Amino acid sequence: DIQMTQSPSSLSASVGDRVTITCQASQDINNYLNWYQQKPGKAPRLLIYDASNLETGVPSRFSGSGSGTDFTFTISGLQPEDFATYYCQHYDYLPLGFGGGTKVEI
Amino acid sequence: EVQLVESGGVVVQPGGSLRLSCAASGFTFDDYTMHWVRQPPGRGLEWISLITWDGGSTYYADSLKGRFTISRDNSKNSLYLQMKSLRPEDTAFYYCTKDRISHSTSDYSFDYWGQGTLVTVSS
Repeated sequence: DIQMTQSPSSLSASVGDRVTITCQASQDINNYLNWYQQKPGKAPRLLIYDASNLETGVPSRFSGSGSGTDFTFTISGLQPEDFATYYCQHYDYLPLGFGGGTKVEI
Repeated sequence: EVQLVESGGVVVQPGGSLRLSCAASGFTFDDYTMHWVRQPPGRGLEWISLITWDGGSTYYADSLKGRFTISRDNSKNSLYLQMKSLRPEDTAFYYCTKDRISHSTSDYSFDYWGQGTLVTVSS
């Protein structure tokens, strides 16, 4: 199975900050990586698919990059509504897998 | 508007069985591969299973070891998860999710999620 290592597991930031989260796959997954946002008590929301494509309706301050084994998710200008937990997810092979999550806190 | 509404989550004793349901609306259900994803309270996400749009193929996480069965009824726009031999570690919110791309056989991105249903396995 492909293992997804996400870091950091949590971070503290302020409104307006640039926030970067990384996700490393245990083997090459091409660009078959998604990023999700989850707020407390809510279901996850797809933000980025295919490593760098913004899902419809997602603000442009969210972005993703990377290919192969190393991926980055960035929030450029953190907004109050962005405080949440973020997960990466690969879909190169079954079983599908998620990273452990990054909690973005004030 | 796409809606996915899960039901069936309850408190069940270890060793018990349970069937979860997911009612789908707002899209052409039989065009999409569907998935179940679970999340233990306060913890991360775990993909459980998928079923292709026609029900012809199913796949499972290795950790389930044959205890769970995914199925669908396209005439009722419904997805199901039959769970047996339940263990305390199966306690989680169970989410029904929809693939982003129709008739996908490899591009598995979850663009819509239900609100989740809580399964608690405890004596």
